Amino acid sequence: EVQLLESGGGLVQPGGSLRLSCAASGFSFGNFAMSWVRQAPGEGLEWVSGITGSGSGTFSADPVKGRFTISRDNSKNMVYLQMNSLRAEDTAVYYCAKGSRNDYGMDVWGQGMTVTVSS
Amino acid sequence: FMLTQPHSVSESLGKTVTISCTRSGGSIAGHYVQWYQQRPGSSPTFLIYEHNQRPSGVPDRFSGSIDSSSNSASLSISGLKTEDEADYYCQSYDSVSWVFGGGTKLTVL
Repeated sequence: EVQLLESGGGLVQPGGSLRLSCAASGFSFGNFAMSWVRQAPGEGLEWVSGITGSGSGTFSADPVKGRFTISRDNSKNMVYLQMNSLRAEDTAVYYCAKGSRNDYGMDVWGQGMTVTVSS
Repeated sequence: FMLTQPHSVSESLGKTVTISCTRSGGSIAGHYVQWYQQRPGSSPTFLIYEHNQRPSGVPDRFSGSIDSSSNSASLSISGLKTEDEADYYCQSYDSVSWVFGGGTKLTVL
């Protein structure tokens, strides 16, 4: 069974940092892109960052460019999201998601991890 | 680019409903559209991929299509059930990003 398990969320002050982790199992991890998608309270889904299967390519949405960094460790089946210079508008549930065939979408999602940015 | 969905739709039990997703910037036909279902309090689930393909386990009551003339995609749900009441999101991509539509809340009357 394919599973994604996020960890590392919590409460952080504006300007602070946090690192989210996602442990993957049940599939050939290095063969698939991975993404982070967030959902602010009462809002829709927003793609945040994506990384290719090999890790050689990373992509980020404009609101987080220069502040968030996605990475992966294929030897550990882990993907990470390093979040720096956090703002109140980054408050959201963050989902780890596995890329679908040919990476057109996301076919498996984690349970989500809450990040709250507040003083 | 952007994907625009209606904020909400409603339809009666047993009927058919269609949710639209219009792409502004780029061709809908040139970039596969996916659809996701999100029930309250749950993570999104993969519903339709590559415009009109269903992952295993998704009932054939759910179908996807595109209309190049209006540069839009559609999700149709037939034989509506109470369990279909959820938020539905379309999603597509370009060379450097994935984009979601704003989501449509489906109410089953």
